[in-house]
Parts: sequence; structure tokens; C-alpha cells
Amino acid sequence: RKEVEQDPGPFNVPEGATVAFNCTYSNSASQSFFWYRQDCRKEPKLLMSVYSSGNEDGRFTAQLNRASQYISLLIRDSKLSDSATYLCVVNRNDYKLSFGAGTTVTVRA
Amino acid sequence: SQTIHQWPATLVQPVGSPLSLECTVEGTSNPNLYWYRQAAGRGLQLLFYSVGIGQISSEVPQNLSASRPQDRQFILSSKKLLLSDSGFYLCAWSGPGGSEKLFFGSGTQLSVL
Repeated sequence: RKEVEQDPGPFNVPEGATVAFNCTYSNSASQSFFWYRQDCRKEPKLLMSVYSSGNEDGRFTAQLNRASQYISLLIRDSKLSDSATYLCVVNRNDYKLSFGAGTTVTVRA
Repeated sequence: SQTIHQWPATLVQPVGSPLSLECTVEGTSNPNLYWYRQAAGRGLQLLFYSVGIGQISSEVPQNLSASRPQDRQFILSSKKLLLSDSGFYLCAWSGPGGSEKLFFGSGTQLSVL
């Protein structure tokens, strides 16, 4: 089983729509969770951290469910600029992070 | 502020040729340094990480090696490239003590032909 699994999508949504997707992780001892955004052929950039019960940053909301070992990302009022691949990242409690393969979101006009 | 530089941006190399990718970090001391590889449609695979000068840990057996000759310099090398070494290589750093947040270089697209 992969350490971090994501629905690859793509999620094609119109501007202004809400889109949400999940990520599951296998290591129940994981303590820290992140969402990174990656544009095509670019480096990943930290979008937001996810701690305890989750958090919100503007139009983005991340939730953590430890019992079921998944985190989610919800994007409200989608913009064209939100089109990207979203990487789920889990801290393995050492020096290493485990990355999911990413969920692709395409926002259309 | 901290910055990370990685070069070159793209590289096309023949099979069997050597490789050297360099990464440097500015504006911080004693960072943790990482080399990742991203194959098309796949997640980032950790290749090497380093918590200090001369300290290299390898995640997976492979045709590559890494070195950290200075505190803020990390080098990825190969003596003889394979076709399977093609991919998008990313250098990253985090603060000492743990990889809570990673900051990536702009990446090197390596094509081995």
C-alpha cells in the first residue's frame, strides 16, 4: 500500500464552483500534514498546513480525519488561477515527507 | 530571506554519460537538504537527504549519489546515466530539526536518450 494515495482526477469545474478531494495515508503515527500546489513543470509550493482538526485559509479549507486517516482540501469560488495539481504530503515523523501523486484540478471559464 | 538555486533547468544527456546537478541555499544556516525525483504522473520520490556537511542518507538503491561539500550546497551525481534516470529532479531545503515545511528549487528536467 502506498504511504499517501490521492484521486488523480482531473476535476474539471467551472469558475465559481466548489471542488473538494481527499487524500488517504497509511501511517497512523503521522503527525503533520500539508497540501502543496504544483503548476505544470514547476516546483511544488506549500499551499497550507493541516493541523489537528483542520484549518481555513481564504477560499481553501483543509480537514483532517485521524480516525479514518484522510485529509481533504476544499476550494470555494474557484478561480482560473486555481488550476494546478494539488499534492497531499504527510510527515513521517523523521526528516522525510511522503508525497501523493497529486490531484489535478482544471477550472474553466 | 531564504532562497534556493538549482541548475540547470533542463538537461539532455546520452546514456552512459556522467551527471552533476547542483543546488545552493542562501539566507539560512544548517538546513536539511533533499533531492527528490518526480516521474511523469507519479509522486515525488525522495532520493537523498542530508542533515549536515558530509552526512548523506539514501532512500532507495539507485544509480545516483549525493554529496554535501558545504553547509548550503548539495550535489546530485551519477557516473553513468541510465534511461530510467530521466525525470524531474527537485532540490529542497527545510529548517534544521525536522522537515515540517519544504521549500523547493525550480527543478531540473533531465532527459536521458
